[in-house]
Parts: sequence; structure tokens; C-alpha cells
Amino acid sequence: DTAVSQTPKYLVTQMGNDKSIKCEQNLGHDTMYWYKQDSKKFLKIMFSYNNKELIINETVPNRFSPKSPDKAHLNLHINSLELGDSAVYFCASSQEPAVSYEQYFGPGTRLTVT
Amino acid sequence: AQKVTQAQTEISVVEKEDVTLDCVYETRDTTYYLFWYKQPPSGELVFLIRRNSFDEQNEISGRYSWNFQKSTSSFNFTITASQVVDSAVYFCALSLGAQKLVFGQGTRLTINP
Repeated sequence: DTAVSQTPKYLVTQMGNDKSIKCEQNLGHDTMYWYKQDSKKFLKIMFSYNNKELIINETVPNRFSPKSPDKAHLNLHINSLELGDSAVYFCASSQEPAVSYEQYFGPGTRLTVT
Repeated sequence: AQKVTQAQTEISVVEKEDVTLDCVYETRDTTYYLFWYKQPPSGELVFLIRRNSFDEQNEISGRYSWNFQKSTSSFNFTITASQVVDSAVYFCALSLGAQKLVFGQGTRLTINP
């Protein structure tokens, strides 16, 4: 069973389009995250949700809007896509939003904006 | 500032050699956790280890070992008798009170047969 899953795995789209990435975890965790990994492999947190409530928003452009319909799902919607949005986006989850819990990552979604 | 530095961008060794990946961190927090993650060529991120700031015991798991030294703010990772399957990008990360992971830049490790 996949613990943290993301769809789609690859997403190619044109500038200006709107797209969504879905994430689901079956670990029973309370906290979910979105990270962005750029072309140099640098990983940076974007958002964190705990029990459907936003707890971290790391100065991400408001074209990015996370939505958590329930604590097992955290989707990422991106409006008006730009070339600089091309990256790999990782969803992750942890048991609680505490500093001590390890995060489990999904397989990543490679977004290419042309 | 809270920061993780992995000074080695790329390391290349021959199979069966031992290799150490360096990680230096900065934080003013007294309670924090350090992690190592592996990202193989397939792209997923795999959790390897967690260490809290109060536990400076070294950890060994098979061919992997970790050396945590608060005095030098380092959390280094050693692979003994490396294998080709160890080839990956390895990330050191610091977990802070704001419930987020701050990652280092990653070290790309290539094990040549």
C-alpha cells in the first residue's frame, strides 16, 4: 500500500494555465505538507496543514492555493502558471506537527511549464 | 539564522570504499531534531534517521552510521563498504519548533563499480 501518493506524477502545461496536484496519505497522520524542489535539488517547504488547518505558509505567491478537504488529503492548486514554477513538488505527512516527528514523502510531481 | 549546510556538492567513490557525508547546522533552539533523507535516482525521498538534540550517541544501522556532535554542530553520515545502490542524493535536515524541515543543499553520491 502506498503511504503518501500524488497525482499526477508528471504535468506538462503552458504558461498562464491553472493546474492542480492531488495528495493523499493513508498513514492516519494529522499533518501534511507541500515542498518544492528546484532544478538544483534544493527543497523548500511551501505549506503545512494540521487537521485541515493551515499552520505554515512560507511566503509563497498567492497563485498557489492549498486545499485540505480532510486530514488525509492536501491538494495544491496553481493559477496562472509561470516558467519559474517548473519544479518537482513533494507532498509529505507526519503524525503530528511536532518537531520530533519524521515526515514521509510522496513520490513527487514533476511540473514543467512551457 | 536556522540553516543546514552540506558543503560537499558531489562525491564519487569506488564500490566498497567508506564515505562520509558532512552536515553542519545552525540554530538557536535548544530543542531540535536532525534528519537524513535519501533521494535515489527514482526521485522519492526516503527517511533514514532522526536524532534529537539531547541525544549525542552515535547510531549504527547496518553499513550506515551517524555521528552527532553538538560542540561542532555537525551530524555526519558514514556509509561503510559502499555499494552501487547507495548512489543517490542525500539530504540533511533540521526540524524546528515551527514544524518545518529546513533542508541542506544535498550531496550527490556516486558509487562506481
